[in-house]
Amino acid sequence: DAGITQSPRHKVTETGTPVTLRCHQTENHRYMYWYRQDPGHGLRLIHYSYGVKDTDKGEVSDGYSVSRSKTEDFLLTLESATSSQTSVYFCAISESSPSTDTQYFGPGTRLTVL
Amino acid sequence: KNQVEQSPQSLIILEGKNCTLQCNYTVSPFSNLRWYKQDTGRGPVSLTIMTFSENTKSNGRYTATLDADTKQSSLHITASQLSDSASYICVVSANTGFQKLVFGTGTRLLVSP
Repeated sequence: DAGITQSPRHKVTETGTPVTLRCHQTENHRYMYWYRQDPGHGLRLIHYSYGVKDTDKGEVSDGYSVSRSKTEDFLLTLESATSSQTSVYFCAISESSPSTDTQYFGPGTRLTVL
Repeated sequence: KNQVEQSPQSLIILEGKNCTLQCNYTVSPFSNLRWYKQDTGRGPVSLTIMTFSENTKSNGRYTATLDADTKQSSLHITASQLSDSASYICVVSANTGFQKLVFGTGTRLLVSP
């Protein structure tokens, strides 16, 4: 998994609770991404970062926030989890622009919101 | 609307046989097309990336083709192995703004002994 770890790998939580997922990379890549993967949908971009403290929204960003205080860490926060956020979350990294460079994905976090 | 459609949704083949997976896209303007392999419970892993000028690219027993005129790509797997059982995802990059990536929903391949 190209030097990418995600924690936790599995989490069960209740509606309305805050949840933070962590992505850690050892590749020193500039770009980091959070995706969610749901049955019947392709991977969908939640947020991405193009440098420390530089982040932007993806196509499904509502209900999520991110932070990147160090090159190696990218945090995804669900401020108040809802059942619709039950999903598998993948972190990805790339050295340069995703249009030209390969993205490397982490092992995923399975989140269940009851 | 930028879309990537893959077919079939699922496929079962016998070990040792060949198979071909299809990807049709309407993404514009086109930048490149990638194929990823995703094992169950794992993240996707890149197999190939092809730009507009490339029409064939191989990675071991995997060969991807691209027809940019008809906006179609295929992934051919030769002499399948049990370890090829996975989902195969087609991803097209649109050369707009943040270089948007459009993901297909994947083809689930099962190689049976």
